Amino acid sequence: GQQVMQIPQYQHVQEGEDFTTYCNSSTTLSNIQWYKQRPGGHPVFLIQLVKSGEVKKQKRLTFQFGEAKKNSSLHITATQTTDVGTYFCAGRRSGAGSYQLTFGKGTKLSVIP
Amino acid sequence: EPEVTQTPSHQVTQMGQEVILRCVPISNHLYFYWYRQILGQKVEFLVSFYNNEISEKSEIFDDQFSVERPDGSNFTLKIRSTKLEDSAMYFCASSEAQGAQPQHFGDGTRLSIL
Repeated sequence: GQQVMQIPQYQHVQEGEDFTTYCNSSTTLSNIQWYKQRPGGHPVFLIQLVKSGEVKKQKRLTFQFGEAKKNSSLHITATQTTDVGTYFCAGRRSGAGSYQLTFGKGTKLSVIP
Repeated sequence: EPEVTQTPSHQVTQMGQEVILRCVPISNHLYFYWYRQILGQKVEFLVSFYNNEISEKSEIFDDQFSVERPDGSNFTLKIRSTKLEDSAMYFCASSEAQGAQPQHFGDGTRLSIL
């Protein structure tokens, strides 16, 4: 079945440092979504990428979708303590007639003030 | 902003008992989902539901599980004869459509099987 791998599993950064999490799929994706889950909370939708090579920005967050539509990244510039949480990518397989989202294991971000 | 609401927030049940987890999706959404997250692990898809029937289900969603939309607002997940390994956070989500649509998650129900 489809697998979505995400690295690193954990990341500790000093406040103000940058952070990047990477997501790789075993199959080509029709689109990829990114979610953030605060400790004790539920996944909250951040963004969706659909086009090959797409780059989207939300303030300090930059999201990329690879040319082959099999990988994606989330980069946070100058982290703040409010960025703490687990960031999940979730991909939908291309052309399989399936709308099921497969989540990565997530990257847990800790920001040291 | 409209929210997905889930009840109860925490359910403690003896092994072998049946549980029903309840969800009220966002009112204009047409697609509903259940996910499971074992403590510290990733979010796992269980089932999607549209037009009063299951549209997709994962390998996890076996005969022990069932879903229902008993009225115009509620969406339930029933787990029959619960096992210890069913202990997890169960999230309900909804979306306006399938495909390239964001899913909105509820706060979850923490299910503890004793």
